[in-house]
Amino acid sequence: GESVGLHLPTLSVQEGDNSIINCAYSNSASDYFIWYKQESGKGPQFIIDIRSNMDKRQGQRVTVLLNKTVKHLSLQIAATQPGDSAVYFCAENINTGFQKLVFGTGTRLLVSP
Amino acid sequence: DARVTQTPRHKVTEMGQEVTMRCQPILGHNTVFWYRQTMMQGLELLAYFRNRAPLDDSGMPKDRFSAEMPDATLATLKIQPSEPRDSAVYFCASGPPGGRETQYFGPGTRLLVL
Repeated sequence: GESVGLHLPTLSVQEGDNSIINCAYSNSASDYFIWYKQESGKGPQFIIDIRSNMDKRQGQRVTVLLNKTVKHLSLQIAATQPGDSAVYFCAENINTGFQKLVFGTGTRLLVSP
Repeated sequence: DARVTQTPRHKVTEMGQEVTMRCQPILGHNTVFWYRQTMMQGLELLAYFRNRAPLDDSGMPKDRFSAEMPDATLATLKIQPSEPRDSAVYFCASGPPGGRETQYFGPGTRLLVL
């Protein structure tokens, strides 16, 4: 079946460090990807997206890298802050004309001051 | 600041009772999604509406769950009868018209069925 990022690892970093969160997707037909951040007790919040015709996209302090060859997506957070502590989900969409996203199980990021 | 709103935020009920969760999508958005989040299963898509019409409800247990959009500003998810295994956080998300743009999530309804 469809699957994105089957595990929920935890990444612990120090404030100020750069963080890299990884995601493996399984469907080679997926052509649109999103990273979401979910803080405790809140809904997922959009961070950044990327389409399959790109391999890199930058936002404010965040960069998403896409490697279609190995079906891998990563989220880089520069100068990580305690407020970045959350669970991060990658999600993929297959271009079927529908806006259905398949979410991974997420990665927990813990930032120590 | 446009946001998806959901009510109630928390619901505790007894097994067998009906539960109704409500969602107001962002004004102008024409797609609405219902998700369920549990520790075991993560985020699961239950139902998906576009222009108030259901497009995909394959993730929803049909015998007890129902989802509707009475109008463009209200989406409902009902469980009747509720069971303890329905305990989860239910999220509504909405998306703008025009393609595969991102979905914007509400704060969720935390449901506990005793």
